[in-house]
Amino acid sequence: EVQLVESGGDLVQPGGSLRLSCAGSGFTFSLYTIHWVRQAPGKGLEYVSAIRSSGDRPFYASSVQGRFTISRDNSQKTAYLQMRSLRIEDMGIYYCARVSDGGTAFPYWGQGTAVIVSS
Amino acid sequence: QSALTQPHSVSGSPGQSVTVSCSGTATDVGFYNFVSWYQHHPGKAPKLMIYNVNKRASGVPDRFSGSKSGNTASLTISGLQPEDEGDYYCCSYAGDFYVFGIGTQVTVL
Repeated sequence: EVQLVESGGDLVQPGGSLRLSCAGSGFTFSLYTIHWVRQAPGKGLEYVSAIRSSGDRPFYASSVQGRFTISRDNSQKTAYLQMRSLRIEDMGIYYCARVSDGGTAFPYWGQGTAVIVSS
Repeated sequence: QSALTQPHSVSGSPGQSVTVSCSGTATDVGFYNFVSWYQHHPGKAPKLMIYNVNKRASGVPDRFSGSKSGNTASLTISGLQPEDEGDYYCCSYAGDFYVFGIGTQVTVL
């Protein structure tokens, strides 16, 4: 069974940093792009970042470009989202997700981890 | 990277049909037949309902259907049920990334 488990969410002050993790199991982690999607309070889903299986050409939404860094450790079957210079608007639930084999939709999601940005 | 446009809310009585529209551009919805739809309840992971415009995900009732015309995709729920209440998001592949819609709250009256 494919499972994705996020962790690392916490309360952080504006301007602070946080690193989220997404641990995968039940599939060959190294073969799949891992995606991060977030939902701010009262807002919709926002596609944030993605890292390919090889780790090259990561994608960042313009709202996080230059502040967030995505990475992965295939030996640990884990992807990371390093978040710096956090803003109030970065607050929300962060989900990692994976597409189906050969597909372009997301049947697999983690349960989410909460990031609270507040002074 | 602009969010796809969806109505903020739609509602219907049990048994009625409702349609949620999703408007994009010629570089996302209009270009790729890779539109998906998700049902989302607060505190839970989004659930894939429709993929590749009109394919139902495993276990999704056949009252859910999807379509696309030009730059606009649509999700139709025929025979609305109380358990269909929730937020629905469209999502389109856009070449090197994905873009989500702003979300539509579906209410069963």
